[in-house]
Amino acid sequence: EVQLVESGGALVKPGGSLRLSCAVSGLTFSNYRMNWVRQAPGKGLAWVSSISGSSNYKYYADSVKGRFTISRDNAKNSLYLQMNSLRAEDTAVYYCARGMPTSFAFDIWGQGTMVTVSS
Amino acid sequence: SYVLTQPPSVSVAPGKTASITCGGTNIGSKTVHWYQQRPGQAPVVVIYYDTDRPSGIPERFSGSNSGNTATLTISRVEAGDEADYYCQVWDSSSDHWVFGGGTKLTVL
Repeated sequence: EVQLVESGGALVKPGGSLRLSCAVSGLTFSNYRMNWVRQAPGKGLAWVSSISGSSNYKYYADSVKGRFTISRDNAKNSLYLQMNSLRAEDTAVYYCARGMPTSFAFDIWGQGTMVTVSS
Repeated sequence: SYVLTQPPSVSVAPGKTASITCGGTNIGSKTVHWYQQRPGQAPVVVIYYDTDRPSGIPERFSGSNSGNTATLTISRVEAGDEADYYCQVWDSSSDHWVFGGGTKLTVL
């Protein structure tokens, strides 16, 4: 069974940093593009960032570019999101999601980790 | 950047058919994916590549995409279908994934 488990969410002050992790099991991790999607309280889904299986390609939403960095460690079956210069508007549940091999959809999602940016 | 527009809410009686639209400029030239998100749960893909259903998704769920509108159709709606639904595309011009604003489906 494929499992994605996020961790690292916390309460952090504006301007602070946080690193999210996503532990993946049940698949050949390096074969898949991986993604971060967030959802602010009471709001819709918003794509944050994506990374190819080999880490050659990284993509970022305009709202996080220059502040967030996506990475992965295929030996550890783990995905990461380093978040710097956090703002109140970054407050959200952050989901990691697997990219479908033959499409641009996200077919398996974790349960999410909550990030709260507040003083 | 590319924008996807969904109605905020759709209501339907049990056993009837619900149609949820997703509008975007020439969206018919893109492939559209649909997600269901029940309260307190992670999203689940219900339609990918415009019309394909992942294993485990009932045949009652179907999709179409043409012109400036993609549509998710749920036939014989059940109480358990009550959820938020989101459309999504890959925008190759910006290398961004884009979600629609979401539609809350209420089963009357």
